[in-house]
Amino acid sequence: EVQLVESGGGLVQPGRSLKLSCAASGFTFSNYYMAWVRQAPKKGLEWVATISTSGSRTYYPDSVKGRFTISRDNAKSSLYLQMNSLKSEDTATYYCARRDTFDYWGQGVMVTVSS
Amino acid sequence: DIQMTQSPSFLSATVGDRVTINCKASQNINKYLNWYQQKLGEAPKRLIYNTNSLQTGIPSRFSGSGSGTDYTLTISSLQPEDVATYFCLQHNSGPYTFGAGTKLELK
Repeated sequence: EVQLVESGGGLVQPGRSLKLSCAASGFTFSNYYMAWVRQAPKKGLEWVATISTSGSRTYYPDSVKGRFTISRDNAKSSLYLQMNSLKSEDTATYYCARRDTFDYWGQGVMVTVSS
Repeated sequence: DIQMTQSPSFLSATVGDRVTINCKASQNINKYLNWYQQKLGEAPKRLIYNTNSLQTGIPSRFSGSGSGTDYTLTISSLQPEDVATYFCLQHNSGPYTFGAGTKLELK
């Protein structure tokens, strides 16, 4: 069974950093692109980042480019999202998802950016 | 960016009803359209991929259709466990974009 479990969320002040983690199990992690998707309160879903199987290629929308960094550790079957220079508009539930077309999702982790 | 206009935003239906939810893309997305279900407090679940392919384990009462810019998710006979929010995703061209969602409730 595919399982994706996010961690690392919480309350952070504007301008600070936070790193999210996603532990994957139930599939061969190194064979799949992975991604992060977020959902702001009472808003729609937004793709945040995608990483290739080896980690050599990463993709971001303009809204987070230069501030967020996606990475992975295939030996640990883990995905990460380093978020820097956080803004209030980054407040959202962040989901880890398998493949660049999001076939499986984790339960999500809440990130609140507020002073 | 491709805009996805999903309708209706809210839908109230009776058990056994045929339910349809629509997504309209701002340009041709070549059938690269997925549908997801999200129940309260749960992770989103992919129901349909590439317009009409049913994800493994999803009941056959769910189906998808469409082409070009217009796509539809159909629930042939609504069941109580189908109460959820449904949303579409276009993955034809980046950045991939989602519909705003349809909240489905029982009448």
